[in-house]
Formats: sequence, C-alpha cells, structure tokens
Amino acid sequence: AQTVTQSQPEMSVQEAETVTLSCTYDTSESNYYLFWYKQPPSRQMILVIRQEAYKQQNATENRFSVNFQKAAKSFSLKISDSQLGDTAMYFCAFRNAGNMLTFGGGTRLMVKP
Amino acid sequence: DTAVSQTPKYLVTQMGNDKSIKCEQNLGHDTMYWYKQDSKKFLKIMFSYNNKELIINETVPNRFSPKSPDKAHLNLHINSLELGDSAVYFCASSQGRSGETQYFGPGTRLLVL
Repeated sequence: AQTVTQSQPEMSVQEAETVTLSCTYDTSESNYYLFWYKQPPSRQMILVIRQEAYKQQNATENRFSVNFQKAAKSFSLKISDSQLGDTAMYFCAFRNAGNMLTFGGGTRLMVKP
Repeated sequence: DTAVSQTPKYLVTQMGNDKSIKCEQNLGHDTMYWYKQDSKKFLKIMFSYNNKELIINETVPNRFSPKSPDKAHLNLHINSLELGDSAVYFCASSQGRSGETQYFGPGTRLLVL
C-alpha cells in the first residue's frame, strides 16, 4: 500500500515571497503519478500541478513548480510570488497504475499581507 | 458549465435515516469516484466506477451503496446514517483508469445529528 506524508501541518508566508511545501511518499511501484491539489475555504478541490514519475523534468505551472526526487521519493511544491488567493489547504496525492489516488494529510498555508 | 456537480451541497439529517447524494459530470469521462473527507481534512477514496462497473471498493460499511445509472452519473446512497458518517463527500471523475487527472466536484457536507 502507498502512503503519502506531508510533514508540515501549517505554514505561513508573506505575500510576494516564496514558500515550499514538502511531500514524501512510499511505494514499490515504478510507474505512477503525483499531484498537488489546493482546497481553499470554499472547499473545492482544485488541481495545482501534476507530475508523471517517468519524466525527469520537473513540472511547472506559472508560479507553481515541483521538485521531484524519485530516488528519495520526494515531491515538494514551490509557490513563487505568493498571493493572498493562495491561502488554502494543499494536498499531495499519489496515483498508481491501478487507479488508486492516495492523499497526504494536507498542509494549511496562510499567505499574510 | 460546471464540470462535476453534486447535489445537495449541504445535508443535515438524523441518525438512522437514509439519504442519497447525486453526482454528475459533463466532461465525457468514463471513470467516477467517491471520496470522504473527515473532520481532520483527511481524504480517502471510497469507490470507483469505470463505465458503470465497480472497480474499487475500499473498506466501507455496506450501508454505503454507490449506483451508476450511466457513465455520467454516480450516486451515493447511505442507509441507517450514523454520527461517524458526518463528513464532506467528494465526487470526482477522470478519463481512463490510469494516471489521468481526477477532477473534483464541490463536495457535499453531511451532518448527522
């Protein structure tokens, strides 16, 4: 079974600064996918970024980028130029070839003005 | 147009009642899911259907019965509601069964009194 660990229950960052959220996972599979989802106070689960394990290049989406270290089983999310609207719960998720999506416990991010 | 929709958004009911939550997606996806998010924000998959066929059934009490009348709909029926069923229930969909991004509905907050 896969496990996903987010070791930072809460984090805060000043507006316009950069913050990195950590995620580690445990799996014996070689082919899988990793995701970061954002859940603002509205409760909606919003996809932030996705990474295929077979790709060595780190995924980027505008101000969001990941540092994917396959050997270390680490998948951190970097948010640059943080904005007030980035305030949310962030969930790291692992998806194996068998269709199971396993979530970490979440990191609550507060962006301060 | 809403991609994945759920009704109702809020549901307050008494212990012992039976209730249903409906989910519809207009993305043309062939796989749908139900997740439960508990009071500590932990998200866990409950069921997955592909083309109306059950493909994942995690350890969920048999009081929970998913029903998929067609591949655009996946409803969740809960019998004999218990206090511990209070949670936010998310529906999601994806195209295919392997690796594709899952898109989430807005969630249904269920409160059992």
